[in-house]
Amino acid sequence: EVQLVESGGGLVQPGGSLRLSCAASGFTFSSYSMNWVRQAPGKGLEWVSYISSSSSTIYYADSVKGRFTISRDNAKNSLYLQMNSLRAEDTAVYYCACGRSWFDPWGQGTLVTVSS
Amino acid sequence: DIQLTQSPSFLSASVGDRVTITCRASQGISSYLAWYQQKPGKAPKLLIYAASTLQSGVPSRFSGSGSGTEFTLTISSLQPEDFATYYCQQLNSYPLFTFGPGTKVDIK
Repeated sequence: EVQLVESGGGLVQPGGSLRLSCAASGFTFSSYSMNWVRQAPGKGLEWVSYISSSSSTIYYADSVKGRFTISRDNAKNSLYLQMNSLRAEDTAVYYCACGRSWFDPWGQGTLVTVSS
Repeated sequence: DIQLTQSPSFLSASVGDRVTITCRASQGISSYLAWYQQKPGKAPKLLIYAASTLQSGVPSRFSGSGSGTEFTLTISSLQPEDFATYYCQQLNSYPLFTFGPGTKVDIK
């Protein structure tokens, strides 16, 4: 079964850091580009970051550029998002999603709350 | 940046109704558009990609059409499990992806 499972979310103070992980199984992870997408409470979907299969191409949304870092470990079938200098507006459910264009599948999401 | 708008933002419909949701792009994106369904507390689910290609396992009552700047998602006969929020996503400006604001389909 193709599966993506996120972890690492939680409550963090403004200015703090958090590292999210996404564990992939059931498919050849190293062959696929991956993304992080977030959804603030009661709001729509916002693409956050993209990484190609070999990590050679990486992009970020302007809202997180310079603060977030996407990475992957193909040997561990894992995707990561290092989030620094967190702000209240970063509060959201963060999803990992597979794909170079359309996204499928998606993980179940992990909640990040930035609050003092 | 390519912006997407969706209309309506909210739709109230009955089981069996034909439902159409429109997604408009601020500039031409050829057929580089996908549609997703999201239910409360769940991850989005891919329904349609390349504007009109049905994802495997998605019921045939869902269909997509359009190209350029205007696209539609149609549900031919709304079922109870279709009450959800629907998002379009443009794929043209890879890999700087954009989602539409969403259309919530609720029970009349």
